[in-house]
Amino acid sequence: ILNVEQSPQSLHVQEGDSTNFTCSFPSSNFYALHWYRWETAKSPEALFVMTLNGDEKKKGRISATLNTKEGYSYLYIKGSQPEDSATYLCAAPGAGAGSYQLTFGKGTKLSVIP
Amino acid sequence: KAGVTQTPRYLIKTRGQQVTLSCSPISGHRSVSWYQQTPGQGLQFLFEYFSETQRNKGNFPGRFSGRQFSNSRSEMNVSTLELGDSALYLCASSFGGGVGETQYFGPGTRLLVL
Repeated sequence: ILNVEQSPQSLHVQEGDSTNFTCSFPSSNFYALHWYRWETAKSPEALFVMTLNGDEKKKGRISATLNTKEGYSYLYIKGSQPEDSATYLCAAPGAGAGSYQLTFGKGTKLSVIP
Repeated sequence: KAGVTQTPRYLIKTRGQQVTLSCSPISGHRSVSWYQQTPGQGLQFLFEYFSETQRNKGNFPGRFSGRQFSNSRSEMNVSTLELGDSALYLCASSFGGGVGETQYFGPGTRLLVL
């Protein structure tokens, strides 16, 4: 069973601030790392799937980096807006027979204060 | 393209009853995964189906079961409901369920067991 951890658990930032949070995962047998955004009363929305060490992905003001050797990924939000308020989840697939199974971290809940 | 749909959206049952939840994936997607979300536990993997075959099962008791039909629609069943089964149940679909594939989530079914 994979251990995927996210920090911090929650975060409050002022509108316009930039912020970042971390996802840690086992560095051995790495396959991929998924990021999702989950707004209240909506479905989790895929942000990025990252597969290569050193990968950097960007979507608007949100970007992510991946370090598979040390087992972490950072998600950055530049100039946070109230609509960025959501829980951000990362997930990693298992190995071998479990590779069709995503293990999620518990998420980082971001609140952007106008 | 229509998204992932789940029915019903809300359900109230009593202990000892059984329940069946339904998930219709995005057209063309053959992999369907199910997750349970409870406060403090995050998203936990239940099982994954591909072409009517269960490929992976999470660490849940045998009361939780599922199936997939030839049109890729999937159902999950929980028998002999317990209070602790109260949760949000999400399904997600992808084309083949591969480790680097994005999973697209439905809106979920919120189950309350009294």
